[in-house]
Amino acid sequence: DVVMTQSPLSLPVTLGQPASISCRSSQSLVYTDGDTYLNWFHQRPGQSPRRLIYKVSKRDSGVPDRFSGSGSGTDFTLRISRVEAEDVGVYYCMHSIRWPWTFGQGTKVEIK
Amino acid sequence: EVQLLESGGGLVQPGGSLRLSCVASGFTFSISGMSWVRQAPGKGLEWVSLFHDDGDIHYSDSVNGRFAISRDNSKNTFYLQMNSLRADDTAVYYCVKDRGDSWGQGTLVTVSS
Repeated sequence: DVVMTQSPLSLPVTLGQPASISCRSSQSLVYTDGDTYLNWFHQRPGQSPRRLIYKVSKRDSGVPDRFSGSGSGTDFTLRISRVEAEDVGVYYCMHSIRWPWTFGQGTKVEIK
Repeated sequence: EVQLLESGGGLVQPGGSLRLSCVASGFTFSISGMSWVRQAPGKGLEWVSLFHDDGDIHYSDSVNGRFAISRDNSKNTFYLQMNSLRADDTAVYYCVKDRGDSWGQGTLVTVSS
């Protein structure tokens, strides 16, 4: 199975400042079609998860452009250019290159 | 607008069974991959089962042989039949479209005596 490892697991942030979360996979997430199946999700307290980013860097509809994804192969990063209060919660990376699809442990983002 | 509405959760004794349903709307259900993802209380996310858009079905090792997924395209409904339930199956179960682009609100399953 592909193991997804996130860091840090806890991220205190200052409003208006940038933040970044790292995700590393135990195997390359590049599929035979050339796409890289790495996704990022955000879960606010008491809510369902919401996908923010798919295929490393493509933002889902309605996702603010302060969120960006980057990386390749086995190393990926989610960046928030300027943190807003609504960005608190837990962020998960997840791969969907082969079964079983697996998530990282989650990174809890909170305001300092 | 995509909507996924789960139902069927509740309290069940260890060894018991439960069937979850997910009614979908707002997209072409019959050609979409569908999944169940669960989250134990205070824990992370686990992708439990996948009904791939090519018809393949997959289960996580933790539920393989106990859970079964199915779909009724005439009713736009996706199901999760859970048998031989254990305490560690206690979780919120989410119905999820494709590779996670849409999620339901979740339904809580509690396995306890």
